[in-house]
Amino acid sequence: SQQGEEDPQALSIQEGENATMNCSYKTSINNLQWYRQNSGRGLVHLILIRSNEREKHSGRLRVTLDTSKKSSSLLITASRAADTASYFCATDGYDYKLSFGAGTTVTVRA
Amino acid sequence: DAGITQSPRHKVTETGTPVTLRCHQTENHRYMYWYRQDPGHGLRLIHYSYGVKDTDKGEVSDGYSVSRSKTEDFLLTLESATSSQTSVYFCATRRTGGFESSYEQYFGPGTRLTVT
Repeated sequence: SQQGEEDPQALSIQEGENATMNCSYKTSINNLQWYRQNSGRGLVHLILIRSNEREKHSGRLRVTLDTSKKSSSLLITASRAADTASYFCATDGYDYKLSFGAGTTVTVRA
Repeated sequence: DAGITQSPRHKVTETGTPVTLRCHQTENHRYMYWYRQDPGHGLRLIHYSYGVKDTDKGEVSDGYSVSRSKTEDFLLTLESATSSQTSVYFCATRRTGGFESSYEQYFGPGTRLTVT
C-alpha cells in the first residue's frame, strides 16, 4: 500500500502565485523526498528533507516536515508556466525503497 | 533521464504473450528499481535489485519477474501478459553511500505497455 498521500489532487494557479501541496504518511521515515514529473517523462528529484529537519529551501522551493503529524508540505513560490507538472512525495523508510503518493497535478496559467 | 535508458519505449502486445522490458544504466549505481504508474496510484514498486543477481519483491510483484546479470542491466519480464498489466513502467537507480544525495533515485524515460 502507498505510504504517502498528497493533497490536493489538482491545483490551478496564476503565473506568479505560490503553489502549496501537502503530503501525509503513515510510518516512521528516514527522509522524505519530492519529485516532479512533466507530462510523458520520468520523475526528477527536487528536494530531500531528513527526519530530523523541519524546513529546507532550494531556490523557489520550500519544504517543511512535521514528524509528529507525519506530514510534509511543498511550497513553490512565484510560479512559472514551466512549473506545470505533477508533484510526488516519496518516503524513505530505511530500507533503500521509496514509497510514492498519488501526486498533485499543478497547472500554472499564463 | 541522463544515463538511464529503457527499451522499448512503447509496446503493444496480446494477452498471454511474454514481454521483457529492459533498463540500462551507465551510472554504475548499485540499486535498481522497477515501478509501474497508473492513474490515481502514483508509482508502485514491482521489484528491486541491490546488486548483481540480488533482487527482491516490491508491493505489486505478482505476474512479474526480474533478472540482473550485470550491474548496468535490469530486466523486467511479464511471463504471460494480462490487460491489468497495461501501464507505464519506469526504471530507477540509486547510488550507494552515506551522503544525502545517495538517497535520491534517478528515473528512466518510461515504457508505455498496452496489453490487448
